[in-house]
Amino acid sequence: AQTVTQSQPEMSVQEAETVTLSCTYDTSESDYYLFWYKQPPSRQMILVIRQEAYKQQNATENRFSVNFQKAAKSFSLKISDSQLGDAAMYFCAYRRGGGSNYKLTFGKGTLLTVNP
Amino acid sequence: EPEVTQTPSHQVTQMGQEVILRCVPISNHLYFYWYRQILGQKVEFLVSFYNNEISEKSEIFDDQFSVERPDGSNFTLKIRSTKLEDSAMYFCATARQEQETQYFGPGTRLLVL
Repeated sequence: AQTVTQSQPEMSVQEAETVTLSCTYDTSESDYYLFWYKQPPSRQMILVIRQEAYKQQNATENRFSVNFQKAAKSFSLKISDSQLGDAAMYFCAYRRGGGSNYKLTFGKGTLLTVNP
Repeated sequence: EPEVTQTPSHQVTQMGQEVILRCVPISNHLYFYWYRQILGQKVEFLVSFYNNEISEKSEIFDDQFSVERPDGSNFTLKIRSTKLEDSAMYFCATARQEQETQYFGPGTRLLVL
């Protein structure tokens, strides 16, 4: 079974600075997708970024980028120029890429605080 | 931009009562999922649904749970006889194709007393 581990229960960053959230995963499959979802206090789950395992290039979405290390099974999220609105719980998630049954497996989350 | 919607946003019920949680998927989405998040814990998969059938379910999804798409638009999760431990946030997620990104609704916060 796939597992997703987020080793940082909480992180904090100063506004305008950069922060990196860690995620590792375990799988025996070669085709899969990785995601970061953001959950603000409203508790809605918002997709931040997605990475296909077969792509070597790291995904980027504006101020959000990932460092995908397939061999190490590591998928960290970097937030540049942090803003107050980035404060939220961040979940790393895994999903298989081939076959069937594309359920998401989530980590326990990292609570990010942004200090003004 | 199209969104997944869920109703109600909050529901309080007595233990043993039936509840129905509703989700309206994005219009061209065909794959539907329910997840739940007990307060302070991670999001857990409950069930996936496609073509009016359950594709996969977790061990949490026991006989007290059921899903259906009664009218071709709403996607519902029914809990027949709620237990205290069913108190959680329930998220619906939908995808256009099975391998595409799942988009989440805002959730229904269920409290069982």
